[in-house]
Amino acid sequence: QVQLQESGPGLVKPSQSLSLTCSVTNGSIGSGMYFWTWIRQLPGKGLEWIGYVGYSGSTNYNPSLKSRVTISADTSKNQFSLMFTSVTAADTAMYYCARESRDGFHYRLDIWGQGTMVTVSP
Amino acid sequence: DIQMTQSPSSLSASFGDRLNITCRASQNIRGYLNWYQQKPGKAPKVLNFDASSLQSGFSLRFSASGSGTDFTLAITSLQPEDFGTYYCQQTYGSPWTFGQGTTVEIK
Repeated sequence: QVQLQESGPGLVKPSQSLSLTCSVTNGSIGSGMYFWTWIRQLPGKGLEWIGYVGYSGSTNYNPSLKSRVTISADTSKNQFSLMFTSVTAADTAMYYCARESRDGFHYRLDIWGQGTMVTVSP
Repeated sequence: DIQMTQSPSSLSASFGDRLNITCRASQNIRGYLNWYQQKPGKAPKVLNFDASSLQSGFSLRFSASGSGTDFTLAITSLQPEDFGTYYCQQTYGSPWTFGQGTTVEIK
């Protein structure tokens, strides 16, 4: 069974950059029609889709975050990463990585990491 | 962005109850609608996809229906393990968006 695990700093200072990594085990991020996705959940709030990097290296971002976000993949390490620049307290959230599976035009986030909490604070 | 609105925001029900959670899209999303279940402190899990297909591992007590703008997740004979928060997600138009969630509490 494919498993995902997020890693990164739990605390980031305002205006700095946030970098998170998702390690994928029991499956290759370079194979299959999968899209490797980041989602966040603000404290006590709902879910916000950040974006993905596809198996071919293509990317798609939420326009509301696009100017500050980069998602990339390292197939040699079987990892994908999220870079978030100029963070503020509003970026404090639980960050999840997930695999999006596609069957024709039907997509779903079928495997998730356990999540990593990121707090933006001086 | 396509706005997804769930109702109710929360509900309290007893074991054995049947309950419905609705999700409304701000525009026609055909059948490109998924449902997720999230337990406290855990990541969400996909429950239903394509508006009606049940993900393996979930009980047949869960069923989903709908098309266009109006969708429903039904849970029959509510069990203790069904508590949690349920989210709908549209995958018709980027960016994918989620409903605000419906929290199910057990009386």
